[in-house]
Amino acid sequence: QSGLTQPPSASGSPGQSVTISCTGTSSDVGGYTYVSWYQHHPGKAPKVMIYEVSRRPSGVPDRFSGSKSGNTASLTVSGLQAEDEADYYCSSYAGSNKYVFGTGTKVTVL
Amino acid sequence: QVQLQESGPGLVKPSQTLSLTCIVSGGSISTGGYYWHWIRQHPGKGLEWIGYIYYSGTTSYDPSLRTRITISLDTSKNQLSLKLNSVTAADTAFYYCAGISGNYGDHIFDIWGQGTTVTVSS
Repeated sequence: QSGLTQPPSASGSPGQSVTISCTGTSSDVGGYTYVSWYQHHPGKAPKVMIYEVSRRPSGVPDRFSGSKSGNTASLTVSGLQAEDEADYYCSSYAGSNKYVFGTGTKVTVL
Repeated sequence: QVQLQESGPGLVKPSQTLSLTCIVSGGSISTGGYYWHWIRQHPGKGLEWIGYIYYSGTTSYDPSLRTRITISLDTSKNQLSLKLNSVTAADTAFYYCAGISGNYGDHIFDIWGQGTTVTVSS
């Protein structure tokens, strides 16, 4: 299975918003509500920020939100802060006990 | 709080078998409901799902790697392992073990290790 497509980079000034897309197929993103988003600071373990398309784990700021339309999921980070600068990956359940990840997006806070 | 720590040889020769382990601390690897996964990241690339083993021993592997992979549990050492045979330079990557605890549903990687680097080179 191919990876989910994400833009390589996104950026915004502090306080602004950035939205990252994650495009798959009807066999993964479009077929299930099991899309999650992970924040990855280099050298650290990835951290789940959004699960089941739009739900936030406890402790994740409400500046992070998720949505999905068809085969494309999106992560929006509102009120950008310096600490939000990281790599972000989407992931989707792909049926038959398989998973697929996105290509990753590097978010830069200008 | 469950924590994961990967370890491995760092350098593997082409055609040999890569063996990685992931020690689970803060909980039992045989706790019901946990799925234990291996995920890798090629240099400069995105994450790639490799496969998982359920606490019961049931496994699922990425189709492109299925013929070369074995994921297993060692309950006596509370660790999981990954064996990937016939490695090539294309297997050079940073390897993570990750867990799905079920706390946030069945498909959320909510536990991650720090990862370990593997280079395939003669």
